[in-house]
Amino acid sequence: QQQVKQSPQSLIVQKGGISIINCAYENTAFDYFPWYQQFPGKGPALLIAIRPDVSEKKEGRFTISFNKSAKQFSLHIMDSQPGDSATYFCAAYTSGTYKYIFGTGTRLKVLA
Amino acid sequence: DTAVSQTPKYLVTQMGNDKSIKCEQNLGHDTMYWYKQDSKKFLKIMFSYNNKELIINETVPNRFSPKSPDKAHLNLHINSLELGDSAVYFCASSTSGTGGQPQHFGDGTRLSIL
Repeated sequence: QQQVKQSPQSLIVQKGGISIINCAYENTAFDYFPWYQQFPGKGPALLIAIRPDVSEKKEGRFTISFNKSAKQFSLHIMDSQPGDSATYFCAAYTSGTYKYIFGTGTRLKVLA
Repeated sequence: DTAVSQTPKYLVTQMGNDKSIKCEQNLGHDTMYWYKQDSKKFLKIMFSYNNKELIINETVPNRFSPKSPDKAHLNLHINSLELGDSAVYFCASSTSGTGGQPQHFGDGTRLSIL
């Protein structure tokens, strides 16, 4: 119940295309859902985050869609660029636990 | 000015040795974490400290011992290193406000056991 399932494991997208990464969870106590971006040799960096009282959040080319009833959330990268090539992690958190559960990661490659 | 800094960046050592990794954050955060990232990129939490108090201790061998001398520092000492300890270890920090707060990660320490 503490797992966050992330798919796909890897993704190849043409420049200008839309990249979509999906995550699913079981624990309804999760109340914060961040996405992290990790480049080779670097630590993960927060990209965008959402709380369950909102169904969508957009920041520039990055959008999180959140479906509370289905217990799923997804990251959409519009107009994908080669510079977006990285590993993306979804995560989930329950207030008061200090514990973030990470998905297994998606390696995104955007072809020029 | 690096927000979360880890030293060393690379650590190559023999099986059976003892080693330490240091982490410092200058963000004024009160919560710090250690994560292990394996070769498949899976991120797993190991420990978390809030205001120098251990609050998360996952199923980690007791060869791993974290120490937090103050809120800005969290070190990780590993005794009797084993081949399976080879991984990238990340330190992270956050505030402990209501609800989730963004975590800030260091750039990792790549530990290789020969």
